[in-house]
Amino acid sequence: DTGVSQNPRHKITKRGQNVTFRCDPISEHNRLYWYRQTLGQGPEFLTYFQNEAQLEKSRLLSDRFSAERPKGSFSTLEIQRTEQGDSAMYLCASEEGTNEKLFFGSGTQLSVL
Amino acid sequence: AQSVTQPDIHITVSEGASLELRCNYSYGATPYLFWYVQSPGQGLQLLLKYFSGDTLVQGIKGFEAEFKRSQSSFNLRKPSVHWSDAAEYFCAVVWYTGGFKTIFGAGTRLFVKA
Repeated sequence: DTGVSQNPRHKITKRGQNVTFRCDPISEHNRLYWYRQTLGQGPEFLTYFQNEAQLEKSRLLSDRFSAERPKGSFSTLEIQRTEQGDSAMYLCASEEGTNEKLFFGSGTQLSVL
Repeated sequence: AQSVTQPDIHITVSEGASLELRCNYSYGATPYLFWYVQSPGQGLQLLLKYFSGDTLVQGIKGFEAEFKRSQSSFNLRKPSVHWSDAAEYFCAVVWYTGGFKTIFGAGTRLFVKA
């Protein structure tokens, strides 16, 4: 499968715990994006990488959120001290160059109890 | 600030009927425009995109969209809806503000009745 892969598909955690999600983009795509989607809303931009550099981070993202893309390939999104309001679908997307066409993974559904 | 509006939260059409989903955007510069579809349990799939040129663009699955600059709109259409078209549809707009950023509308849920 050469699409965008996200793991895990589902994550249930207790409030206050840390969680980490992984995204493997399409190989050779140098841009990688993270979005968050809640029920009834469109995907909300969180952050994006150009290769290993994190170029932009949404002001909506609190300090509990951190993302990395250490070798310019896969990326991880960590949420520390999770809150119930963090429950959402976290989507990863990759893009080749400036094609502006995003390829999305199936997402990681986070439920914080 | 940039914004994307999809005024219809949900739409119900009969199978075989025509469909139009509305999308409007704010901000002065002409952006890049996209429509994505999301089926339950699936990631978002690109239907079509507009960058420049002919304002009527054709996409996959028989969808088309028309860019109207004067109305800041990019409405999605299909002449005859199939039951498999039932899904959530998102309009997305890309602006260049020092870097490319994609902003999505809230989505329109399409229901298809037999």
